[in-house]
Amino acid sequence: SQTIHQWPATLVQPVGSPLSLECTVEGTSNPNLYWYRQAAGRGLQLLFYSVGIGQISSEVPQNLSASRPQDRQFILSSKKLLLSDSGFYLCAWSGTSGRNGYFGPGTRLTVL
Amino acid sequence: AQSVTQLGSHVSVSEGALVLLRCNYSSSVPPYLFWYVQYPNQGLQLLLKYTTGATLVKGINGFEAEFKKSETSFHLTKPSAHMSDAAEYFCAVSAPGNDMRFGAGTRLTVKP
Repeated sequence: SQTIHQWPATLVQPVGSPLSLECTVEGTSNPNLYWYRQAAGRGLQLLFYSVGIGQISSEVPQNLSASRPQDRQFILSSKKLLLSDSGFYLCAWSGTSGRNGYFGPGTRLTVL
Repeated sequence: AQSVTQLGSHVSVSEGALVLLRCNYSSSVPPYLFWYVQYPNQGLQLLLKYTTGATLVKGINGFEAEFKKSETSFHLTKPSAHMSDAAEYFCAVSAPGNDMRFGAGTRLTVKP
């Protein structure tokens, strides 16, 4: 069965510090991978999605970047965090058939 | 490109009343449709999905949704709301070869 991992689960970082959130998927190959952010009291905001290694599409211009160094690994990064980067970050995958989509457990990021 | 619109960011019902959460989609190809639920301080979990076959889909916790192609809708219903149904609900659309797109979410409140 497919499993999606995210770490860390929670993170508290000072403004201006770098960020690296990792997401890995098991049990599937060539998944579409997504990074979403959910700010307090707001819905899901799609940040990035990837249909393959090295292929990243950015939905919203911002302080963040994403990379996909391996088929089942998706990394969300920032060189300098802003207060507005605080939120709940969710990684998700869907198969190329489009029939399934699953979310990881999420990372709660607090920028102070 | 595909998209989803969830009508109503907040819905409030009394315990025992009908729950109706609205979702309309846009897709140039036959869509796959999903509803996810997010309980407070938790990740998203799949509630139900439509891929092919019967247009009335039953999910967990007594929820169901009906795919109506003529109305481009996939509304989520439950005959009788429970307090434990209070959560945020997300509708999503995908298709073979397409990435998955989510609505902004609807927060359901259940009043005693």
